Amino acid sequence: GQQVMQIPQYQHVQEGEDFTTYCNSSTTLSNIQWYKQRPGGHPVFLIQLVKSGEVKKQKRLTFQFGEAKKNSSLHITATQTTDVGTYFCAGIRYNFNKFYFGSGTKLNVKP
Amino acid sequence: DAGVTQSPTHLIKTRGQHVTLRCSPISGHKSVSWYQQVLGQGPQFIFQYYEKEERGRGNFPDRFSARQFPNYSSELNVNALLLGDSALYLCASSSYPDLSSYNEQFFGPGTRLTVL
Repeated sequence: GQQVMQIPQYQHVQEGEDFTTYCNSSTTLSNIQWYKQRPGGHPVFLIQLVKSGEVKKQKRLTFQFGEAKKNSSLHITATQTTDVGTYFCAGIRYNFNKFYFGSGTKLNVKP
Repeated sequence: DAGVTQSPTHLIKTRGQHVTLRCSPISGHKSVSWYQQVLGQGPQFIFQYYEKEERGRGNFPDRFSARQFPNYSSELNVNALLLGDSALYLCASSSYPDLSSYNEQFFGPGTRLTVL
């Protein structure tokens, strides 16, 4: 079954509004990565989270890893049209050498 | 330096045929992973190879196989193609041996496979 769930599936925002996507796993993850995929493109690595409760920031992007290492979020402050794309989380379970990608959140930003 | 390269870019096959997709990792990277991305969905992990050894396998049937060569390039083979195999096939490279030790992986542009 689906190992990693991601919500929402779609998000339409006005430029300048904030955006958040959530990722939930049915099992504890050893680490989680986030990717961005532009329309017609390939996934591009954004960040990796490893520690329980970890928070990392990249300019307007804030990434969090839950205390139980079962959930994660990506928050974008003051979206810009360049943020358009689909954001995926990808988790790795302990003792399983496999990536489990979420279904992605497609972000559309209206200027 | 060149990034991850994949060939061909696009491919059209008919049901029952066989296909071979190729990937060259970033220079110096010894790990290659393969993913299947159906339109509108997230990538699904197929295989990971490190120094010619299979290190990870996803939930795909035996029709899917792969190998890695001494120069670290890789091939993904799919036999007895089904309509449902139509997808974007992505290759990613990394310098780390295991997915759990990955700090980052770099994806290639993909091969768009259409099965008629």
